[in-house]
Amino acid sequence: QKEVEQNSGPLSVPEGAIASLNCTYSDRVSQSFFWYRQYSGKSPELIMSIYSNGDKEDGRFTAQLNKASQYVSLLIRDSQPSDSATYLCAVNFWGSQGNLIFGKGTKLSVKP
Amino acid sequence: DAGVIQSPRHEVTEMGQEVTLRCKPISGHNSLFWYRQTMMRGLELLIYFNNNVPIDDSGMPEDRFSAKMPNASFSTLKIQPSEPRDSAVYFCASSFLAGGTDTQYFGPGTRLTVL
Repeated sequence: QKEVEQNSGPLSVPEGAIASLNCTYSDRVSQSFFWYRQYSGKSPELIMSIYSNGDKEDGRFTAQLNKASQYVSLLIRDSQPSDSATYLCAVNFWGSQGNLIFGKGTKLSVKP
Repeated sequence: DAGVIQSPRHEVTEMGQEVTLRCKPISGHNSLFWYRQTMMRGLELLIYFNNNVPIDDSGMPEDRFSAKMPNASFSTLKIQPSEPRDSAVYFCASSFLAGGTDTQYFGPGTRLTVL
């Protein structure tokens, strides 16, 4: 059973701090990884995708991937109240033809 | 370009009634996914299509659920008969799959309430 695990939170950080969101997955043979943000009552929207080990930066967001440890994380620098949302980690397992397995999400609250 | 379009946005029905949810994927995308989201179970894949062909329907809860994709620009998810435990938000997503995986773009969802 392929699984994606996230701490459900809520994770509370003060405005301006770094928020660190973590995700582990069960199968070493995974090829691509995604972070989606979902505001309450809205649909998931893609923030970052990462395919190889290391860091990938996009503005205030950095995705980190460590395939050996089966771990992917998302760092949000200079957190803003508008970043308050649920963050979903998704993994494409090898051979699944684009099928993503989603974690249940971590709820982030950024306090002004 | 328009995103993924879903209709209706909200549906309230009574137990036993048939429910049909509709989805129009992004033009040019070749893969379409139906998800269900609840607080308890999170986001679950129900079925997905590639080039209009169902690839994996193992997530479909039971025979009351069926999905079709008659052409590249339209898909339906039908529940017959509906039950209160089917109440959830149903999302459709599409992507362009070429030799691996690519970003899935989600529609706004249909919030289904079965009384």
